[in-house]
Amino acid sequence: DAGITQSPRHKVTETGTPVTLRCHQTENHRYMYWYRQDPGHGLRLIHYSYGVKDTDKGEVSDGYSVSRSKTEDFLLTLESATSSQTSVYFCAISESRGNSPLHFGNGTRLTVT
Amino acid sequence: TQLLEQSPQFLSIQEGENLTVYCNSSSVFSSLQWYRQEPGEGPVLLVTVVTGGEVKKLKRLTFQFGDARKDSSLHITAAQPGDTGLYLCAGLDYGQNFVFGPGTRLSVLP
Repeated sequence: DAGITQSPRHKVTETGTPVTLRCHQTENHRYMYWYRQDPGHGLRLIHYSYGVKDTDKGEVSDGYSVSRSKTEDFLLTLESATSSQTSVYFCAISESRGNSPLHFGNGTRLTVT
Repeated sequence: TQLLEQSPQFLSIQEGENLTVYCNSSSVFSSLQWYRQEPGEGPVLLVTVVTGGEVKKLKRLTFQFGDARKDSSLHITAAQPGDTGLYLCAGLDYGQNFVFGPGTRLSVLP
């Protein structure tokens, strides 16, 4: 299995508080992604990174920011959490773009009350 | 935005039965991947299909990519309880990112 660790695995927070989720990889893959998974919507891309300090927006980026200061770490921040951001968040990595397989972490379940 | 639909949404069958799940879009994708996801885990890649009309077999699983590259199917022969999970299709969009369908949740009863 690809070495991808997400932390925390579970978090409950209150509306309006900042939250940071961490993704750590040991595969030295260039590309990293943050997805959210909600019933009926599948996985939706939030942000992705194509290198250190190089990031771009995905389909549902509003309310989220990311940072990648090292190859192995990709952080997702909710500046002011809202109830609509209650979801399961998955980090993924890939060696290249296109048909390169995505390797996923085991997710972070975030509940915003 | 390119969208993918999957059907059925839920499927519950007995061990040994055959089944087919579908992934459809009105858009053309340059390639398509199938993933399986188990509870509490991330999706795991099963296959990538690239060419229209392509058929790939993985043991009891057969994957087909439509001729027009707008749809795909996954057929499982003699389903086993270990096949239980959420099956997701993902199409490669023009921005080189994968768009995921909502999934088919399969339950195979012993």
